[in-house]
Amino acid sequence: AQSVAQPEDQVNVAEGNPLTVKCTYSVSGNPYLFWYVQYPNRGLQFLLKYITGDNLVKGSYGFEAEFNKSQTSFHLKKPSALVSDSALYFCAVISRGNNRLAFGKGNQVVVIP
Amino acid sequence: NAGVTQTPKFRVLKTGQSMTLLCAQDMNHEYMYWYRQDPGMGLRLIHYSVGEGTTAKGEVPDGYNVSRLKKQNFLLGLESAAPSQTSVYFCASRRDTLRHQPQHFGDGTRLSIL
Repeated sequence: AQSVAQPEDQVNVAEGNPLTVKCTYSVSGNPYLFWYVQYPNRGLQFLLKYITGDNLVKGSYGFEAEFNKSQTSFHLKKPSALVSDSALYFCAVISRGNNRLAFGKGNQVVVIP
Repeated sequence: NAGVTQTPKFRVLKTGQSMTLLCAQDMNHEYMYWYRQDPGMGLRLIHYSVGEGTTAKGEVPDGYNVSRLKKQNFLLGLESAAPSQTSVYFCASRRDTLRHQPQHFGDGTRLSIL
């Protein structure tokens, strides 16, 4: 079985401050991990992924994520948040023996001007 | 590039009516997926297809049917709509068998069942 937990429903951050969105996962074996962003009335857009190798992954729009195998976490980070980063963020995992992507419930990020 | 296109964008049905949601992708992707999104529940997989002519059940398949007669199209059918099927439906595609390939999503169909 594979699953993702995003423990916070909403993350509020002031513009210019660092942004962190938390994600922990559970899979059998080595995972592939993803972050997606969803703006209002739109589909999900791919931000970044972890396959293997370097634990720090860089993605679109200045986002990065850190893979931590011992803590089974894949937190999304941005050094300086913008108001335009306000959106719904989804973490997802797929194990190497599975065809299905498992999504977390999503985190609403609100960046306050 | 159109990517993944879903039609219609909005629809209101009465209980018991039937309808078909269409998903079309122009990226020559092998895999296609149908999800539903409900508040606080993330995305749940309804059905998926690993290639033309194939379909498989996902996490919440009851009350839905699918067909993939052409590689570029993936249809989701509701034979007898129920209020519990009120949701936002998303179609996605993935290039091939490599599981680390990202999925590409359409902008959704907002469906209300009265």
